[in-house]
Amino acid sequence: EPEVTQTPSHQVTQMGQEVILRCVPISNHLYFYWYRQILGQKVEFLVSFYNNEISEKSEIFDDQFSVERPDGSNFTLKIRSTKLEDSAMYFCASSEDWVEQYFGPGTRLTVT
Amino acid sequence: GEDVEQSLFLSVREGDSSVINCTYTDSSSTYLYWYKQEPGAGLQLLTYIFSNMDMKQDQRLTVLLNKKDKHLSLRIADTQTGDSAIYFCAESPRNAGNMLTFGGGTRLMVKP
Repeated sequence: EPEVTQTPSHQVTQMGQEVILRCVPISNHLYFYWYRQILGQKVEFLVSFYNNEISEKSEIFDDQFSVERPDGSNFTLKIRSTKLEDSAMYFCASSEDWVEQYFGPGTRLTVT
Repeated sequence: GEDVEQSLFLSVREGDSSVINCTYTDSSSTYLYWYKQEPGAGLQLLTYIFSNMDMKQDQRLTVLLNKKDKHLSLRIADTQTGDSAIYFCAESPRNAGNMLTFGGGTRLMVKP
């Protein structure tokens, strides 16, 4: 069964460094998303992406964040200058028709 | 803004039915979802219901939607130890495209 994959599973970085989290969505899906879950808090929507552009973004998704689909298979989330409060589990999701969103296993980002 | 609330914890005996409850605030929700998260894994889409439906059944899972009270429930029949996980309720508000708003999750523990 096709699934969303994410790499790395765990990323440790120092405050102020740039990180890129990578996702490979399910191959025939057209909609892509990033969510995050800070430890002990709810899963929060960050951004959705369709037709090579951002379709929706939350207040969390400020200028420090960007997304890209650099080729036909990858979908990336970049954080330009990480802060301690960016430490969280980041989930990528994809959907064929925006109704059913399928999530990857997540990347745990630890900012020290 | 939109809010989704769930109770934190539910414990049942193997073979019993489990009922996990969720309340939401946005009356314009189009779809309501149930996701399952096992330890170390991502969010697995279990089922979802369109807002013009009252009930949806899928094998051991029954979803009930009370739009008047903004209450969603997930019933798991014949609960097994493998059902032990965190269950998340989520809504997709009509005016916010395809972003999901999640509840905090209910940890289901199934005792043998």
